[in-house]
Amino acid sequence: GAGVSQSPSNKVTEKGKDVELRCDPISGHTALYWYRQSLGQGLEFLIYFQGNSAPDKSGLPSDRFSAERTGGSVSTLTIQRTQQEDSAVYLCASSFGRGQRNYGYTFGSGTRLTVV
Amino acid sequence: RKEVEQDPGPFNVPEGATVAFNCTYSNSASQSFFWYRQDCRKEPKLLMSVYSSGNEDGRFTAQLNRASQYISLLIRDSKLSDSATYLCVVNPPRGTGGYNKLIFGAGTRLAVHP
Repeated sequence: GAGVSQSPSNKVTEKGKDVELRCDPISGHTALYWYRQSLGQGLEFLIYFQGNSAPDKSGLPSDRFSAERTGGSVSTLTIQRTQQEDSAVYLCASSFGRGQRNYGYTFGSGTRLTVV
Repeated sequence: RKEVEQDPGPFNVPEGATVAFNCTYSNSASQSFFWYRQDCRKEPKLLMSVYSSGNEDGRFTAQLNRASQYISLLIRDSKLSDSATYLCVVNPPRGTGGYNKLIFGAGTRLAVHP
């Protein structure tokens, strides 16, 4: 598609439930990133996928968080046993692959997750 | 020390004013630099890249000072529509496990009033 697409745009879930967030990157972008942004805070890196390489999971806050990217395109971020501190906007971004220069990301409009 | 630091503001300026934001970064070997703009409850959008020689895009001018490890953004003739949060963004150097991963500052809020 023309941009990065995320779904759902909003999700309210009960504490302890699992949630899945979806990201469909820009066609042709080999790199895909997940960030989250809590209210009034900066962006926190979660995970990065580059082509068929092993993902960089260094930003995942706990083992309740996992992500996969199938076929080098769509990615799913899963949060198990959600906690109230997981409430945030989860942003997905994509870019052209690695190289000598980073051309910046294009972000999706995010999924606003509220854990009640 | 944070990897990317910005004055959170807010900067309250009248229309037509010139305003400048600075940002400092901790890793002297960082590769690429950007300014992003984020409107309230929206996703960040790339405003401009920052090149070593400095670059200009209309009313916006970005500068990079590698020796002092800071980046600046100058906005001339401010418009009401410039009101937003401006994010300073840095790409860590290769070999740190962060190559191609952007580090975002917490942002500087700008409010332009009539």
